[in-house]
Amino acid sequence: QQQVKQSPQSLIVQKGGIPIINCAYENTAFDYFPWYQQFPGKGPALLIAIRPDVSEKKEGRFTISFNKSAKQFSLHIMDSQPGDSATYFCAAGSGGSNYKLTFGKGTLLTVNP
Amino acid sequence: NAGVTQTPKFQVLKTGQSMTLQCAQDMNHEYMSWYRQDPGMGLRLIHYSVGAGITDQGEVPNGYNVSRSTTEDFPLRLLSAAPSQTSVYFCASSYTSSGELFFGEGSRLTVL
Repeated sequence: QQQVKQSPQSLIVQKGGIPIINCAYENTAFDYFPWYQQFPGKGPALLIAIRPDVSEKKEGRFTISFNKSAKQFSLHIMDSQPGDSATYFCAAGSGGSNYKLTFGKGTLLTVNP
Repeated sequence: NAGVTQTPKFQVLKTGQSMTLQCAQDMNHEYMSWYRQDPGMGLRLIHYSVGAGITDQGEVPNGYNVSRSTTEDFPLRLLSAAPSQTSVYFCASSYTSSGELFFGEGSRLTVL
């Protein structure tokens, strides 16, 4: 049972493009939606997170859009750079128990120069 | 500040062998978790702990054992390794139950 569905599996964009990664969830108890960034050989690192009381959150070039009624959220990367090439994971947590997140399967992003 | 430290970084085992993956954090975090990462599967929760002496099962606990005798350490034991346990294992910790999760750099395990 996949509780967080992530798409696409991989994505290639040119420098300056705006890659968009989408996630959908099923469990309405989820109330915390982080995105993690992972570089090869490293552990995931928190990029940005949102809670369902807001529809959008922006941190630098990274924006999360959240649609509670559709149970979907997405990550947008503005003015993407080759250094943004990484694997991105969406995740969901509930009840303040963010140490036991449910992750999507990941998206491998490549930003070409 | 070392953060979350995992050892070993690489390990090869034969089927049926046992071993322990070590995880230590120096941030005084109460909450610690073990995840496994497999291609196309994302990260899946194996076991977690909400404090010294308290552990519980995650999504994929079979074949693994954990204990938490100190706040700093959270080892993951493979009782009898199987090829299906070939994976990259990540330990993570957080200061509060609703806080950011900090990951180690991972331990790559191959079971032949």
